This record gives sequence, C-alpha cells and structure tokens, in this order.
Amino acid sequence: SQQGEEDPQALSIQEGENATMNCSYKTSINNLQWYRQNSGRGLVHLILIRSNEREKHSGRLRVTLDTSKKSSSLLITASRAADTASYFCATVLSGYSTLTFGKGTMLLVSP
Amino acid sequence: GAGVSQSPSNKVTEKGKDVELRCDPISGHTALYWYRQSLGQGLEFLIYFQGNSAPDKSGLPSDRFSAERTGGSVSTLTIQRTQQEDSAVYLCASSPGGAVTGELFFGEGSRLTVL
Repeated sequence: SQQGEEDPQALSIQEGENATMNCSYKTSINNLQWYRQNSGRGLVHLILIRSNEREKHSGRLRVTLDTSKKSSSLLITASRAADTASYFCATVLSGYSTLTFGKGTMLLVSP
Repeated sequence: GAGVSQSPSNKVTEKGKDVELRCDPISGHTALYWYRQSLGQGLEFLIYFQGNSAPDKSGLPSDRFSAERTGGSVSTLTIQRTQQEDSAVYLCASSPGGAVTGELFFGEGSRLTVL
C-alpha cells in the first residue's frame, strides 16, 4: 500500500493564488521529500524535511511537517503558469534507505 | 556536468521479448535506484544499489525482472519475456549517499511499450 497519500488529487487555480497540497503517511519516517514532475518524465527535487524539523522554506515553497498527525503540506505562494506540474511527496521510513512515493497531486495554474 | 542519463528514451517491443534499460548515474554517486511509473500513477520502487553492498531487490515484481550495477557505476535493468503490464516509464535515480541523507537525482526515464 502507498505510504504517502497526497490530497487533493488535482488542483486548479489562477496565477497569483497560493496552492496547498497535503500528504499523509502511515509509519515513522526519517525524512519526507517533495518532488515535481513535468510531462510524466523526470522528477525534480524540491525540498527535504527531516523528522525533527517542523517547517522549511525555499523561495516560494513552504513545507510543514507534523509527525504527531503523520502529515505534511506543501505551499506554493504566488503561483505561476510554469508551476503547472504533478507534485509528489515521498517518505524515507525509519530504518530504510528507499523513498516511497504517493500518487501525486496534479496542479494546473491558469494565466 | 551531466545528470543521470537513461537509454533508450523510448522502447517498443513485442510481448515475450527481453528488454534492457540502461542508467548512467552522476559520477561519484554511490546510491542508485530504479523506479517504475505506470500511466497516471505514483512511482513504484524496484531496486536499490548502495556501493558494494548487496542490492535491495524487495521491489522487483517478479523473477522476470533483474538488475545489475557494474563497477559501482552504470546499471542495467533487464525484463525478460515482457508482458503488456510491464508497459510503463522506468526511472533511474542516483544520490551521493542515498535517500536517508538527501535528495535523489532522476533521469528522464525510459518509456517501455509492450505490444
């Protein structure tokens, strides 16, 4: 079964609006990572947050992690049409070295 | 300054044929992963290599799938007697020390279509 589950499955917004995507997981993690995928090919790493961290920022991205609720959120502020892509959360389970991916959120940003 | 390179980019084969997919990781990266992504789905872990350690093969879906990594660098994923359900994009990723320590760097993938 999927370790990470993103919500919503699809999100459509206007340029300039903020986009929030959520990720829930089931078991204890070492870290959680967010990736972006354009056109169903290679993934690009966005941000990594460790289990002892609560919030990280990178440019227009803000990621939070709540280990008590086993959830994370990715906020993209002031979205642009170029942000249109699929976004995946992925977890590294405690004691393991592999990334387990969710099914992703498809984000559409309209001009 | 090349990234992760995968070949072929696209492969169309007939059911029952064997295929080989190649991954050339970033130089110096000791960790190498293979994932599979079916249409509209998330990534499914297949196999993980770390240095000279025995690979983690726990994600391989059947004994028709195998992979090797020669000299700690290039990796080849082999699918024997391909089936239509093997159609997917096969993604390779490398990392300096593995997902525990940091991000994975992905290639553009090999799209496999089994007719």
